[in-house]
Parts: sequence; C-alpha cells; structure tokens
Amino acid sequence: GQQVMQIPQYQHVQEGEDFTTYCNSSTTLSNIQWYKQRPGGHPVFLIQLVKSGEVKKQKRLTFQFGEAKKNSSLHITATQTTDVGTYFCAGLSEGSNTGKLIFGQGTTLQVKP
Amino acid sequence: KAGVTQTPRYLIKTRGQQVTLSCSPISGHRSVSWYQQTPGQGLQFLFEYFSETQRNKGNFPGRFSGRQFSNSRSEMNVSTLELGDSALYLCASSLGQGTEFTGELFFGEGSRLTVL
Repeated sequence: GQQVMQIPQYQHVQEGEDFTTYCNSSTTLSNIQWYKQRPGGHPVFLIQLVKSGEVKKQKRLTFQFGEAKKNSSLHITATQTTDVGTYFCAGLSEGSNTGKLIFGQGTTLQVKP
Repeated sequence: KAGVTQTPRYLIKTRGQQVTLSCSPISGHRSVSWYQQTPGQGLQFLFEYFSETQRNKGNFPGRFSGRQFSNSRSEMNVSTLELGDSALYLCASSLGQGTEFTGELFFGEGSRLTVL
C-alpha cells in the first residue's frame, strides 16, 4: 500500500538556524499537505501543494513539491521558539478521489533559545 | 463556527473491554476521517466516512469499526481492547464535496485512550 516516509524524525536547532524536513512517497501523489502539531495539541493544516514543481512560501516557511510528485520538503528559515512542534506531511495518491490521506511519521523540531 | 468536537477527551479502560468514541464534524462537512496517533508511529489512518458510507479503510483489525450518521456525526468502536490500543484517537472533518476529497482536514482535540 501507499507509504509516506519523512526524515529526519527529530531535529534540534539553535534559534536562528534553518530547518528542513523531507517527505517521500512510494506512489505518485495528486497533492500533498503539511500540518503542524504543537506539543499537547492537534494537527493544524499549513498548506496544500498540487502542481508538479510547485513552491509556496508562508513568511519564513517554504514548501516544495517535487517534479515527479513523489516528494516534498518544508524549509524554515531562521527558526524561532514558536516553530517548536511536529511537522507532518500527508499525501493523497494520484487517481484517488476519496479521502485516504496518508501521513508521514512526522519530524519533531526542538528550538533552543 | 464551531470546530470538530470529540468526546470523551480522556478515558481509561481495561483489556477486553470495548470503547466507543464520538466525533461531531464542522457544520457542513460531510467527510470524517479517523486516525490513531502513537509515539513514533505518527498518524495511522483508520477509516474515512462520507455520507454515511465508509469510503476507505486502513490496515487495522476488525476490532476497529466505525459508522457515520445522517447528520455527519461519526463514532468509532474498538472491541476487545488490547494494551497496544492505548493511543490518541483523532477525528478530522473535511468538506468532501460530492464524491471527491477536497482540501484540508480539520482535526479535533482527540480522545486519549489508556488501556490497562
């Protein structure tokens, strides 16, 4: 079945350093979404990417969708303590029109002030 | 507009018992998905319902079941609980217009189940 792998599992950075998490799918995706879960909270939607090679920015966050639509990345520039949390990618297999969104294992980001 | 509501928020059960969790989606959302979250395993897809029909099912044993009512509220049931079922169970709703999955998932706060 479809699998979504995410690396690294954990990342500790000093405040101000950059951070990147990578997401790889075993199947071609129709779209990919990113979510953030703060400690003790629930996942909250960040963004959705649909087009091959798409790049979207949200302030210090940059999201990319690979040309083959099988991988994605989230890059945070100059991390802040408010960025702490677990970042999940979630993909919908190409050709699927139903809601089986498969999540990666997540990357937990710790930021040292 | 009210968010996704899950009840109960916390519960403790013993092995062999059964449990029912409830989820009220955002008004107007017709698709409800359930996920199991455990440390190190991320979010594991359980099932997804749309207009009272189960459209997708994950790789969980038959002890895990669910249903959706005409008002889009959903319940999931776990029978014959095992220690490994201890987890945070998250419900998420989305618009799910027509037969297509559309847009983002809105998650509830989750139901944290502990099995002793």
